[in-house]
Amino acid sequence: QSALTQPASVSGSPGQSITISCTGTSGDVGGYPWVSWYQQHPGKAPKLMIFDVRSRPSGVSDRFSGSKSGNTASLTISGLQAEDEADYYCSSYTSSRSWVFGGGTKVTVL
Amino acid sequence: QVQLQESGPGLVKPSETLSLTCSVSGGSISSYDWGWIRQPPGKGLEWITNIFKNGDTDYNPSLQSRISITIDTSKSQFSLQLKSGTAADTAVYYCARYEDRGFDYWGQGTLVTVSS
Repeated sequence: QSALTQPASVSGSPGQSITISCTGTSGDVGGYPWVSWYQQHPGKAPKLMIFDVRSRPSGVSDRFSGSKSGNTASLTISGLQAEDEADYYCSSYTSSRSWVFGGGTKVTVL
Repeated sequence: QVQLQESGPGLVKPSETLSLTCSVSGGSISSYDWGWIRQPPGKGLEWITNIFKNGDTDYNPSLQSRISITIDTSKSQFSLQLKSGTAADTAVYYCARYEDRGFDYWGQGTLVTVSS
């Protein structure tokens, strides 16, 4: 299984909105409503930010939102804050009864 | 609050078996599903395997021939074995709880180096 495709980096100024894309195939992103997103700060374990494409776990800010169209899922961070600077990974369930992650996107707050 | 803690050797020789254990506290291990994810130094995440409360397991197709996951409910632990280790298996290994089709609680991770 191939990793999902994410941009290597995305940047934005405080207060702005940014969107991270995650492109797969009909065998993963496009075929199932089970895409999740994780935030990872350096040296820390990942944190679940979005599950089932657009659902937020309790305690996650509503500045984070998810969506999907066809084989591409997206994570939008609105009102960008300094603490949002981190690596972000998407993940999708696949037709092989497995999970595949994206390569990761480094978000920089300018 | 669920807490997970990985344990196991930090150094494994090539061709040997990598064995890790995840200890779960703050919740019933029998009530949830669990998984392992790894991250090579400076690289992205790779899902390894899940074990479900009904005993079913799912494995990464690229690792399936070398891995197994087991659970010991009496000790509130689940374990990963990865056979025939190579340098490519050097990574930080995370255990995590699998809930609502996402990994919502993670251990802090443990670095395993495969080297002679």
